[in-house]
Amino acid sequence: ETGVTQTPRHLVMGMTNKKSLKCEQHLGHNAMYWYKQSAKKPLELMFVYSLEERVENNSVPSRFSPECPNSSHLFLHLHTLQPEDSALYLCASSQQGFYGYTFGSGTRLTVV
Amino acid sequence: KNEVEQSPQNLTAQEGEFITINCSYSVGISALHWLQQHPGGGIVSLFMLSSGKKKHGRLIATINIQEKHSSLHITASHPRDSAVYICAGGGRGADGLTFGKGTHLIIQP
Repeated sequence: ETGVTQTPRHLVMGMTNKKSLKCEQHLGHNAMYWYKQSAKKPLELMFVYSLEERVENNSVPSRFSPECPNSSHLFLHLHTLQPEDSALYLCASSQQGFYGYTFGSGTRLTVV
Repeated sequence: KNEVEQSPQNLTAQEGEFITINCSYSVGISALHWLQQHPGGGIVSLFMLSSGKKKHGRLIATINIQEKHSSLHITASHPRDSAVYICAGGGRGADGLTFGKGTHLIIQP
């Protein structure tokens, strides 16, 4: 366990479903991130929250909707996804002003 | 073109061999990260470098800021070192990371 917990570990959803991914950290970090890892592609930054405010969304489609209710929790709400959205979604956290990152174990998402 | 390039993409070696993975970057970064990803998907941070060299156990990471190049070395490699090793560049603060495609390392007994 790294200190960043993601749930669920695996998720299969239909294209009309609505689901949410959850990330939780109790490391005292003040920045949290969502990354996407598709097959045979580098990890891609999706969203950054710093001090609970979104600072970057990297042109992610609106069918992905992040939420950061407090500095310890981060959600990724999913709706009307496409099969090409199937990927590993990783959460990470860091302390702004320092360089270290801690990653969660990821959620393996399959859209059918 | 990805701003962080790694080589080789795949590497198979025998147990005990000295392993080198290279990373070149074209972005301006404040720190260079080496990460390890096992088949389950979780990522572990191995090193964070802004200059010079760091060592942890059998792992050594070096960086040359002028040449924008970093290397990860594994001495006395072991099958449990088999994983994907990822190089990533980051800035100060909540900038996120720019990742290389990773090097898939297999150490055979």
